[in-house]
Amino acid sequence: GENVEQHPSTLSVQEGDSAVIKCTYSDSASNYFPWYKQELGKGPQLIIDIRSNVGEKKDQRIAVTLNKTAKHFSLHITETQPEDSAVYFCAASLNQAGTALIFGKGTTLSVSS
Amino acid sequence: DAGVTQSPTHLIKTRGQQVTLRCSPKSGHDTVSWYQQALGQGPQFIFQYYEEEERQRGNFPDRFSGHQFPNYSSELNVNALLLGDSALYLCASSLVDSYGYTFGSGTRLTVV
Repeated sequence: GENVEQHPSTLSVQEGDSAVIKCTYSDSASNYFPWYKQELGKGPQLIIDIRSNVGEKKDQRIAVTLNKTAKHFSLHITETQPEDSAVYFCAASLNQAGTALIFGKGTTLSVSS
Repeated sequence: DAGVTQSPTHLIKTRGQQVTLRCSPKSGHDTVSWYQQALGQGPQFIFQYYEEEERQRGNFPDRFSGHQFPNYSSELNVNALLLGDSALYLCASSLVDSYGYTFGSGTRLTVV
C-alpha cells in the first residue's frame, strides 16, 4: 500500500524566513496531494492541495511543488509569521476522489519573532 | 455554516469497555471518514461511510465499527478497548467522490 514519508520532523525558523517541508510517496497511482495545518487542540485544516496533472500551485505565501517522476512533493512557506507555527502534514490519495488519505508523520514548525 | 462537529471532546474509558463517538458532517456533505491520530503521529484512516454503507476500510481490527444515519451523521464504535486505542479520533466529511475533506476537532480518548 501507499507509504508517505515526511521530513524534517521539526523545523525552526526566524520570522520572515522561508520554510520548506518535503514528502515522498511510494504508490505511483497516487494523484492527489493535500497539505494540512494542525494547531493545538484542533483538527487538521487544509491549506493547499495539488493534483498530479499540475507541477506547482501557489496561494499567497504558500506554494506546493510536485515531481511525479521522483514521487516527491514539497510545501514552501515564504515570509513566515509566528502564527504559522503549527504541525504540518502532507498526505497522498490514490487515483480516485473520495479514497482514503495516507498521511505523513508531520512536521512541527516553530517561527520565532 | 457549521463545520464538522464531534462529540464528546474528551472521554476516559477503562480497558475492556466499549465506546461510541459521534460526528455531524459539514452542511452539504454526504460522506464521513474516521481517522485515528496517535500522539505525535499523522492521522490513520479507519473507514469511510457513504449512503449508510462502509465504503472503504483501513487496516483496523473488527473491534472498530461504524454507522451512518440517514441525516449523514455517523458513529464510531470501539469494543474491548485496549490501552493502545488511546488517541485523538478525527471525523472528516466530504461530498462523495470529491477531494475536499473537512476535519472536525476530534475526540480525545484515553483508555486506562
